[in-house]
Amino acid sequence: SQQGEEDPQALSIQEGENATMNCSYKTSINNLQWYRQNSGRGLVHLILIRSNEREKHSGRLRVTLDTSKKSSSLLITASRAADTASYFCATEETSGSRLTFGEGTQLTVNP
Amino acid sequence: NAGVTQTPKFQVLKTGQSMTLQCAQDMNHEYMSWYRQDPGMGLRLIHYSVGAGITDQGEVPNGYNVSRSTTEDFPLRLLSAAPSQTSVYFCASSFQRGPQHFGDGTRLSIL
Repeated sequence: SQQGEEDPQALSIQEGENATMNCSYKTSINNLQWYRQNSGRGLVHLILIRSNEREKHSGRLRVTLDTSKKSSSLLITASRAADTASYFCATEETSGSRLTFGEGTQLTVNP
Repeated sequence: NAGVTQTPKFQVLKTGQSMTLQCAQDMNHEYMSWYRQDPGMGLRLIHYSVGAGITDQGEVPNGYNVSRSTTEDFPLRLLSAAPSQTSVYFCASSFQRGPQHFGDGTRLSIL
């Protein structure tokens, strides 16, 4: 079964709006990572947040992690049409070094 | 610096045929992994390796074989192709506990 579950499965917004995607997971983790996938391409790493961190920023991206609730959120501010993609969270569990991916959120940013 | 290179990009097989998907990375990463991605689903881990000579099973290993004789290469072998193995296959590499770098995928159809 999937470790991470993203919510919502699909999100459609207008350019300039903010987009928020959520990820929940089940077990203890070393870190949580967010990836982006454009149609027909491989995944691209966006940001990694360690289990002892609560918030991290990278450009227009803001990631939060709440280990007590086993959840994370990815906020994309001032979205652009080029942000249209699928976004996946992935967790590295403390029991091993492999990553487990969620099913992703399909974000559509309308110009 | 090519990153992660996967070949071929597309392949059509008949049921029962065998083939090898190639993956090579030039970043001296010790960790390499193979995933499959089916429509509407996230990535599922097939096999992974934490270094040359060391491999382990992921979530969906049946029907696949791997070996890691060098740091750079991590081929995935389909022993006897089945229609259920129709999917997009991604190879990824990383330093341990770091972000993964993905190839662009191999789109495999089994008739």
